[in-house]
Amino acid sequence: GAVVSQHPSWVICKSGTSVKIECRSLDFQATTMFWYRQFPKQSLMLMATSNEGSKATYEQGVEKDKFLINHASLTLSTLTVTSAHPEDSSFYICSARAPPGQGIQETQYFGPGTRLLVL
Amino acid sequence: AQTVTQSQPEMSVQEAETVTLSCTYDTSESDYYLFWYKQPPSRQMILVIRQEAYKQQNATENRFSVNFQKAAKSFSLKISDSQLGDAAMYFCAYRSARLGYGGATNKLIFGTGTLLAVQP
Repeated sequence: GAVVSQHPSWVICKSGTSVKIECRSLDFQATTMFWYRQFPKQSLMLMATSNEGSKATYEQGVEKDKFLINHASLTLSTLTVTSAHPEDSSFYICSARAPPGQGIQETQYFGPGTRLLVL
Repeated sequence: AQTVTQSQPEMSVQEAETVTLSCTYDTSESDYYLFWYKQPPSRQMILVIRQEAYKQQNATENRFSVNFQKAAKSFSLKISDSQLGDAAMYFCAYRSARLGYGGATNKLIFGTGTLLAVQP
């Protein structure tokens, strides 16, 4: 199956700093990537959808200026948590989907997630 | 708007036995995809099985099979010969088959999950 990597796998930072999380599709081109947040024992909450070369579409209630998303290439999307605060501590998961023609376009593949702890 | 409901927050099964996880969904669309994802303690989301709504035949993947009832909008997952490694949170998900960038048509709609325990 398709592989999606995410880096870093965990990060601890001080309140007020910014943290960047990278998501890469390793063996397919992903025109669309998704960023989720997951709280313990809960389902995934979609934060935003990013399409290569265009602005991300944010879900209602997600602060665009706080969670900056860049999808600069067909294999890389980044999520930057700006001026992080303890309430931003969470598990962040990215997901990638291939465009039509690659045989897997209807399926989303997920990265292993990033645990963020803001002190 | 589409919704996905998993009415079983927790399930338990004996090793080597069979268990069925329930999922129902609501949609007015006729063409869509359904998925079961597994999230073990590592929290890596793993695709278990997928079903295209236009296919009448139920999807199977080794010990995993689905019972897709389109008219009833039901999509249950059966795990046969359960193994300790099957213990995980299982999420049912829906996605419209309509193409397009951004917007609701591209989203995976997840259920709330079923936590499966496998007893040795």
